[in-house]
Amino acid sequence: DSGVTQTPKHLITATGQRVTLRCSPRSGDLSVYWYQQSLDQGLQFLIQYYNGEERAKGNILERFSAQQFPDLHSELNLSSLELGDSALYFCASSVSWAQGEAFFGQGTRLTVV
Amino acid sequence: GENVEQHPSTLSVQEGDSAVIKCTYSDSASNYFPWYKQELGKRPQLIIDIRSNVGEKKDQRIAVTLNKTAKHFSLHITETQPEDSAVYFCAAINAGGTSYGKLTFGQGTILTVHP
Repeated sequence: DSGVTQTPKHLITATGQRVTLRCSPRSGDLSVYWYQQSLDQGLQFLIQYYNGEERAKGNILERFSAQQFPDLHSELNLSSLELGDSALYFCASSVSWAQGEAFFGQGTRLTVV
Repeated sequence: GENVEQHPSTLSVQEGDSAVIKCTYSDSASNYFPWYKQELGKRPQLIIDIRSNVGEKKDQRIAVTLNKTAKHFSLHITETQPEDSAVYFCAAINAGGTSYGKLTFGQGTILTVHP
């Protein structure tokens, strides 16, 4: 167990809908990262938050948004879902990159039908 | 931004053989290079990492080497076992004290160890 908790574990929804994925980082970790992993694809960086502020952004679609709350949990919101959004979404957390490694949650498998 | 290239994309070895996976990075400011192992349907797990002030690091059957001049780093697995079969990802980041910046991953290597 990495200490990073993601909910839900599985999510099936229809095209056009909106979903929210939740991530609770390890205790003490201030950074939260979101990654998308499609079938046969690598880990595509979406966005990073550090202590509540957005710090780095990858190729995140405008239909996607995220935030980190004062208690440091983070949510990734995906709207106007398309079939191509079906993927594994991972959250990772770390104290800081300068001090140690990132720990990944078990992921949320999103299926858009 | 940083770009990480990983080779090979697939690697098949016999149990007991060694396996080597290579990565190159583009940003000379990158200074932290972790390797992750991902089993099917599971989360990536850190198996070893190396920082730019070190040329080599070893942990039992796993070792990583770093060549800063050439901007490449490699994962070496000796005496491979069937349970080593997984997807391996290299990554790179400029790990500054301000604690932000994206961890860029390579494309992954599917390692298959045949009994």
